[in-house]
Amino acid sequence: AQSVTQLGSHVSVSEGALVLLRCNYSSSVPPYLFWYVQYPNQGLQLLLKYTTGATLVKGINGFEAEFKKSETSFHLTKPSAHMSDAAEYFCAVTPINTGNQFYFGTGTSLTVIP
Amino acid sequence: NAGVTQTPKFQVLKTGQSMTLQCAQDMNHNSMYWYRQDPGMGLRLIYYSASEGTTDKGEVPNGYNVSRLNKREFSLRLESAAPSQTSVYFCATSGTKWTEAFFGQGTRLTVV
Repeated sequence: AQSVTQLGSHVSVSEGALVLLRCNYSSSVPPYLFWYVQYPNQGLQLLLKYTTGATLVKGINGFEAEFKKSETSFHLTKPSAHMSDAAEYFCAVTPINTGNQFYFGTGTSLTVIP
Repeated sequence: NAGVTQTPKFQVLKTGQSMTLQCAQDMNHNSMYWYRQDPGMGLRLIYYSASEGTTDKGEVPNGYNVSRLNKREFSLRLESAAPSQTSVYFCATSGTKWTEAFFGQGTRLTVV
């Protein structure tokens, strides 16, 4: 079974500082990987995804993530936090053998301090 | 282009009442999903439908039923609501396999 672990349910950074949100998955076969963002009282919006190819993936709003197979990780980063980045972030996976089920982490709430 | 539309957006039920949450998509996607979101627990899959005419249980199906009415619509029914079903419910869709899921705006359900 797939599982997704997001270390740190709450992360605070200063405006302009590096954002690092951690995601690890457990699967014998690397799944496809996604990061979603959720703003208050809204649905989830895709930030970026990794399926195949380059392991460093760039997404919207200046975010990027790197797939590291050896570490079973897909951490999300942004060089300089902006106030508008304050939101809940979810890492998700879908198994490559089925491709039609999504498993989500428990989420990380990002606070940006002015 | 509305994407994924959920109705209602808010609902308060009394314990034991029933209701149906509606989801409709205009993205021509085959797969549709119902998730619930609870604080500290992320999103948990209730049911999903890989294609019209098929439905499968997810992680937390107890107390729920679903109907894939046609390719566009996927409804979630609570036959006898319980306070433990107080949650935010999200419908999602995806197209071909391994593509991302697209989410509706959610239904905030309170059972008192």
